[in-house]
Amino acid sequence: NAGVTQTPKFRILKIGQSMTLQCTQDMNHNYMYWYRQDPGMGLKLIYYSVGAGITDKGEVPNGYNVSRSTTEDFPLRLELAAPSQTSVYFCASSGQGPPLHFGNGTRLTVT
Amino acid sequence: AQKITQTQPGMFVQEKEAVTLDCTYDTSDPSYGLFWYKQPSSGEMIFLIYQGSYDQQNATEGRYSLNFQKARKSANLVISASQLGDSAMYFCAMRGPFSTSYGKLTFGQGTILTVHP
Repeated sequence: NAGVTQTPKFRILKIGQSMTLQCTQDMNHNYMYWYRQDPGMGLKLIYYSVGAGITDKGEVPNGYNVSRSTTEDFPLRLELAAPSQTSVYFCASSGQGPPLHFGNGTRLTVT
Repeated sequence: AQKITQTQPGMFVQEKEAVTLDCTYDTSDPSYGLFWYKQPSSGEMIFLIYQGSYDQQNATEGRYSLNFQKARKSANLVISASQLGDSAMYFCAMRGPFSTSYGKLTFGQGTILTVHP
């Protein structure tokens, strides 16, 4: 009963490096989301997807890219990492009704 | 645009007492959903309770209830009989009609709840 699985759990990047945060879900959900959470703050939407091959920007998409080639997977790509991208990243998925199911998060530090 | 406001950065409660965490929202959509999530110090997001805008009754889930006052645009979380394990950050969130929001949630800034023994 895995739900939403995110890897890695922690990562330290140097400024200018790139990386991909992985997210996979086993609930056959069409809708998937990436959020970031800065210290002491609420979550902000980066990108979302309504199905394989369909993605769209959220509130804070700059510096990120996503793809959705399968229903299960929704990776988030960071290009040219910057200190402002230091955050905790959450992937989530949803069926037609509530709630959103969240992964356990990836803590990213850019130095 | 939707907005969620949680005005209590921190709250304290004695074990076994009840506590209310405040949440107000703003939206022009007649159909919307309201959520509460718990985030313990370990960091995961735990779904607690959901209220639809057309639901006639206030939602309840065990010790959690949602005090939904539509006219006042408030969706306060009530935790009865607080336990030490309730110490966590609590987020209120909302979405618009699913057909247009696709389930995307807008979050408040959170309230840190500390339960004292």
